[in-house]
Amino acid sequence: GQNIDQPTEMTATEGAIVQINCTYQTSGFNGLFWYQQHAGEAPTFLSYNVLDGLEEKGRFSSFLSRSKGYSYLLLKELQMKDSASYLCAGTNAGKSTFGDGTTLTVKP
Amino acid sequence: DGGITQSPKYLFRKEGQNVTLSCEQNLNHDAMYWYRQDPGQGLRLIYYSQIVNDFQKGDIAEGYSVSREKKESFPLTVTSAQKNPTAFYLCASSMAPGINSPLHFGNGTRLTVT
Repeated sequence: GQNIDQPTEMTATEGAIVQINCTYQTSGFNGLFWYQQHAGEAPTFLSYNVLDGLEEKGRFSSFLSRSKGYSYLLLKELQMKDSASYLCAGTNAGKSTFGDGTTLTVKP
Repeated sequence: DGGITQSPKYLFRKEGQNVTLSCEQNLNHDAMYWYRQDPGQGLRLIYYSQIVNDFQKGDIAEGYSVSREKKESFPLTVTSAQKNPTAFYLCASSMAPGINSPLHFGNGTRLTVT
């Protein structure tokens, strides 16, 4: 199947760096998206990889290795407002399949 | 400002009633999607449409129906055949079919069926 696996929960300290991993068991995806979702709100787009390597966007970076079925989202200089759920989504021909999300709690 | 509007934000229905959730976008996007989210879980695809007057079933289409008569609108009907309809429903759009562009989401409709 097209399972996408992410850790359920993570905790980090304000100002630190955290890496959220995402693995998938199929080669059917040709792109990997990351979204942020605050509780009770809609997801918002963070980052996207279609080629192997690192994409950097300010405090957020995302990495993809297609041969290993592996991606990660790196958040730097954590702020309290970064406490949210982070969703990894594999895409194929415009159709996205989501993991269950990783709930990140940032502590002072 | 362009965006996606879902209405209403909260919806309550009795079991056995059909209910239609509205989704309108003014982003001029070709593709539109309906997802369902249950507590602690990711998004599951119900239906999607890549062009007007055409739509495809997603992973959990049973008990749902859609229409795409206009580019801007993609309403979702939750029928009485849906066994567990209480959930958070998210509508999304993206620029063009077959292209991996980001999803833009509406603010969601929280449906409660008792």
